[in-house]
Amino acid sequence: NAGVTQTPKFQVLKTGQSMTLQCAQDMNHEYMSWYRQDPGMGLRLIHYSVGAGITDQGEVPNGYNVSRSTTEDFPLRLLSAAPSQTSVYFCASSYLSGSGYNEQFFGPGTRLTVL
Amino acid sequence: DAKTTQPPSMDCAEGRAANLPCNHSTISGNEYVYWYRQIHSQGPQYIIHGLKNNETNEMASLIITEDRKSSTLILPHATLRDTAVYYCIVISNTGKLIFGQGTTLQVKP
Repeated sequence: NAGVTQTPKFQVLKTGQSMTLQCAQDMNHEYMSWYRQDPGMGLRLIHYSVGAGITDQGEVPNGYNVSRSTTEDFPLRLLSAAPSQTSVYFCASSYLSGSGYNEQFFGPGTRLTVL
Repeated sequence: DAKTTQPPSMDCAEGRAANLPCNHSTISGNEYVYWYRQIHSQGPQYIIHGLKNNETNEMASLIITEDRKSSTLILPHATLRDTAVYYCIVISNTGKLIFGQGTTLQVKP
């Protein structure tokens, strides 16, 4: 298993540009999520999904869109990049179970700089 | 989701046990306590979780008080590679992980 993969690893954008951060997992996990981490801070939840076709907002959803057309993929779209979106973005996935949520597996992160 | 409170930083001597406390006084009956750690700029790594009972795995032990308002993560023999930020998280069956600031554990030789 490759686990959770994220592309690209690094990206530089200009203000106003749009782009999509890719996230894929090969563990057949129902639950997937996106976080951002600013320097010296903890992770903040952007959006999450409990299955294909189902997404919901986290703590800081503004400026980001997501979709979940397949179990494997959960792309994050920046509509019009702003310098405030400079951050490291992590994708995570996990199984869902009746006894609660299981451990989340995190990808290596995408380091985004918006000029 | 219940909020958690952790000390911002702790030191531990290599080879000794590291005991990391966490307060979650507003935890509800169906909410789990999870611990993750983040080494340098890598993605967080799951350590352990529990509901009521104490738990142990190959990485650590989790001690949850009887009233469930606090817990302690124990790394029995800390090594330099355990230097990281440790996050205590309480989640319900929504599955959302809400990270706080965590505790920066520095293991010293």
